[in-house]
Amino acid sequence: SQQGEEDPQALSIQEGENATMNCSYKTSINNLQWYRQNSGRGLVHLILIRSNEREKHSGRLRVTLDTSKKSSSLLITASRAADTASYFCATLDYHGSSNTGKLIFGQGTTLQVKP
Amino acid sequence: EADIYQTPRYLVIGTGKKITLECSQTMGHDKMYWYQQDPGMELHLIHYSYGVNSTEKGDLSSESTVSRIRTEHFPLTLESARPSHTSQYLCASNQIGENTEAFFGQGTRLTVV
Repeated sequence: SQQGEEDPQALSIQEGENATMNCSYKTSINNLQWYRQNSGRGLVHLILIRSNEREKHSGRLRVTLDTSKKSSSLLITASRAADTASYFCATLDYHGSSNTGKLIFGQGTTLQVKP
Repeated sequence: EADIYQTPRYLVIGTGKKITLECSQTMGHDKMYWYQQDPGMELHLIHYSYGVNSTEKGDLSSESTVSRIRTEHFPLTLESARPSHTSQYLCASNQIGENTEAFFGQGTRLTVV
């Protein structure tokens, strides 16, 4: 099964509103990453938060990490129509070591921002 | 812009045909991945490699095979395509290490008729 579970599966908001997506994972991690996917395209890396960090910002993005609850959230502030996409969290399944670990993705949240 | 390329972008083929999906990256990354994704759905890891001559099966069972003879090249082959193989296939790569981001190709949309 996938490492990450995301909530909600779909989110529809008006332009200018904030969007919050949540991700839960199952095993210990060194970091958690968020990616964005426009329809029919590959994924693009947004932000990485390390396990010893609780919050990280990048432009209109704010990511939090709670390792005690094994969960992370991605907040997009002042959303724009161009933010419409699917958002995925990802963690590294160590499989022995980070050298041989594999990147596992959550189910994703589909965000629609209406103009 | 990521230097990872997938060809073809779209492919429609008949049942029983052998196909190879190409993936190449010019970033010198040791790790490469193949994911299968149905529209609007999660990504399922089907194959990955952490270096030349290493390949591992992912979490989702797949009838496809991969090879990693060169660092930059990670092709995926289906010996006999079936309609159940219809899906989007995404290739990705990243560097060895704990805190490295992955770069994705644009994907190959495969339709088997």
